[in-house]
Amino acid sequence: EAQVTQNPRYLITVTGKKLTVTCSQNMNHEYMSWYRQDPGLGLRQIYYSMNVEVTDKGDVPEGYKVSRKEKRNFPLILESPSPNQTSLYFCASSLSGVDNSPLHFGNGTRLTVT
Amino acid sequence: GENVEQHPSTLSVQEGDSAVIKCTYSDSASNYFPWYKQELGKGPQLIIDIRSNVGEKKDQRIAVTLNKTAKHFSLHITETQPEDSAVYFCAASITGNQFYFGTGTSLTVIP
Repeated sequence: EAQVTQNPRYLITVTGKKLTVTCSQNMNHEYMSWYRQDPGLGLRQIYYSMNVEVTDKGDVPEGYKVSRKEKRNFPLILESPSPNQTSLYFCASSLSGVDNSPLHFGNGTRLTVT
Repeated sequence: GENVEQHPSTLSVQEGDSAVIKCTYSDSASNYFPWYKQELGKGPQLIIDIRSNVGEKKDQRIAVTLNKTAKHFSLHITETQPEDSAVYFCAASITGNQFYFGTGTSLTVIP
């Protein structure tokens, strides 16, 4: 089954403790992206990747890092999480980032930073 | 960057009635407008999309209209059913690598 898989689904951590949220897709998609969803703000793009070793900032990249060493994986790294990063995070992928291909989303990771 | 506004934020309709959700965008260069449905505990799923060279697109009970001059696009759901209850997001994109989402509409279909 074609899917985007995020792990973990739920994560509670403390301020300053580094964490990684994993994202993997099995559709051989070139483009991958991370979003955060907050009440009243919709989905905002954090980072995106057009292909392996190619990443770029979205609208809200501060406090986040990403890497794209393999085509299928696009982990989101919070090196020193803060309470304002408490949010619902979604990973998405699409066939290509240059021709407006539809996005396929994972089921989300709910992160709480205390 | 692009700014997408979505209205209303909540919408309740009787089963069988129609529902309309409206979005406006600010950047006239935007040329791709998808709509996503998000059910509780799940990620958004694409339900319909439209490109700027088309004014209207239909898929069974769902339709999207686009007015490039006014920079707005709308989602129309006819003959609503309880399973249509969800949060709906509109989005706009220029290049396909950056998507700008509206703030969402929570639709409730009352049986």
